[in-house]
Amino acid sequence: KQEVTQIPAALSVPEGENLVLNCSFTDSAIYNLQWFRQDPGKGLTSLLLIQSSQREQTSGRLNASLDKSSGRSTLYIAASQPGDSATYLCAVEGGGADGLTFGKGTHLIIQP
Amino acid sequence: NAGVMQNPRHLVRRRGQEARLRCSPMKGHSHVYWYRQLPEEGLKFMVYLQKENIIDESGMPKERFSAEFPKEGPSILRIQQVVRGDSAAYFCASSPRTANYGYTFGSGTRLTVV
Repeated sequence: KQEVTQIPAALSVPEGENLVLNCSFTDSAIYNLQWFRQDPGKGLTSLLLIQSSQREQTSGRLNASLDKSSGRSTLYIAASQPGDSATYLCAVEGGGADGLTFGKGTHLIIQP
Repeated sequence: NAGVMQNPRHLVRRRGQEARLRCSPMKGHSHVYWYRQLPEEGLKFMVYLQKENIIDESGMPKERFSAEFPKEGPSILRIQQVVRGDSAAYFCASSPRTANYGYTFGSGTRLTVV
């Protein structure tokens, strides 16, 4: 059974810092990995999708890497801003399950 | 393209009533997934449907819960005789299920059972 773990569970940093969020998964037979953002009381916004054959994806200040063999992904946020405050969710497709398997998320607060 | 549309956004039901949650997938998407998010927990897979077919309902409680995706109209998640423990956010996602396009989520329905 696929399991996804995100570390840290919560993170609070001053504005302007670069930061890394971590995600690990137990079954490396995945099709892809997707990072989402969830604001309080809202739905999920897709940030980046990495196919299993890819090593990384970039969008603006966000960069996500994937090491499928070791079951790890990182989300790098450059020059953080207060508007980046949200919960970041990592999800994998595959590994013996239909749909996506989610981690519990990293609750990020960027202090102005 | 209006994205994945879920309604209602908020739903309040008394214990024992029925709750019906609707999801219209993105245009061109024929695969629908329902997830439940309990307070302080991650999103959990409930059911995967294609038009007129339930593909995988392994994450859905065996009793009181049912889902459908008819040939015409939205997908429906139905919860009969709701209990307080059903209070949660229910999210729908759709996918074209081709070439790993990823999933698009709706804004969710927040169910409160009183």
